[in-house]
Amino acid sequence: DVKVTQSSRYLVKRTGEKVFLECVQDMDHENMFWYRQDPGLGLRLIYFSYDVKMKEKGDIPEGYSVSREKKERFSLILESASTNQTSMYLCAAGLDSGLTSNQPQHFGDGTRLSIL
Amino acid sequence: SQQGEEDPQALSIQEGENATMNCSYKTSINNLQWYRQNSGRGLVHLILIRSNEREKHSGRLRVTLDTSKKSSSLLITASRAADTASYFCATDKTSGSRLTFGEGTQLTVNP
Repeated sequence: DVKVTQSSRYLVKRTGEKVFLECVQDMDHENMFWYRQDPGLGLRLIYFSYDVKMKEKGDIPEGYSVSREKKERFSLILESASTNQTSMYLCAAGLDSGLTSNQPQHFGDGTRLSIL
Repeated sequence: SQQGEEDPQALSIQEGENATMNCSYKTSINNLQWYRQNSGRGLVHLILIRSNEREKHSGRLRVTLDTSKKSSSLLITASRAADTASYFCATDKTSGSRLTFGEGTQLTVNP
């Protein structure tokens, strides 16, 4: 089974701080994703990556950046944290074939981030 | 609005009963996936059904897909307290590569 590990389950940071959320997968999957999950809004895609050093904006990329220097690791960066970025952040990994996502995504357990 | 929308938002049943959750979507899809999320945890993939399939089974799970109505249903038979979780559908539009998730159905199975 694919294992996706997020470095922190809970994180508390202050506004204006630069925040790094780390995600590691152990199954050599090409695709990795960052979502945030908020009550009433479901899961929203922030960024995804289909290869090392490649990244694509999702639906809500503003205020975030990502880094994928190695295939197994995908980092989400909050450049200057704000209170509206308080949320549950979920990382996922998945195989893919071409542009059609016909494979399941495997999720980490999430990081609950609070910005004070 | 969301590409996938689950109905109902919340469902409470007794152990042993069947639970049915529905998902509607707006645009054509390649496939539809169902996921489960236990409280405070990540999502776990349950089942994938392709656009040319009408029904799929996995253990106590039965998924149907009606592309003419742009809807899918997830049936959990003989539910258990351990089935208590949120259930999400996710669709992959034919025009893109990303999954779009609905807001989920919160299922509570009372012992």
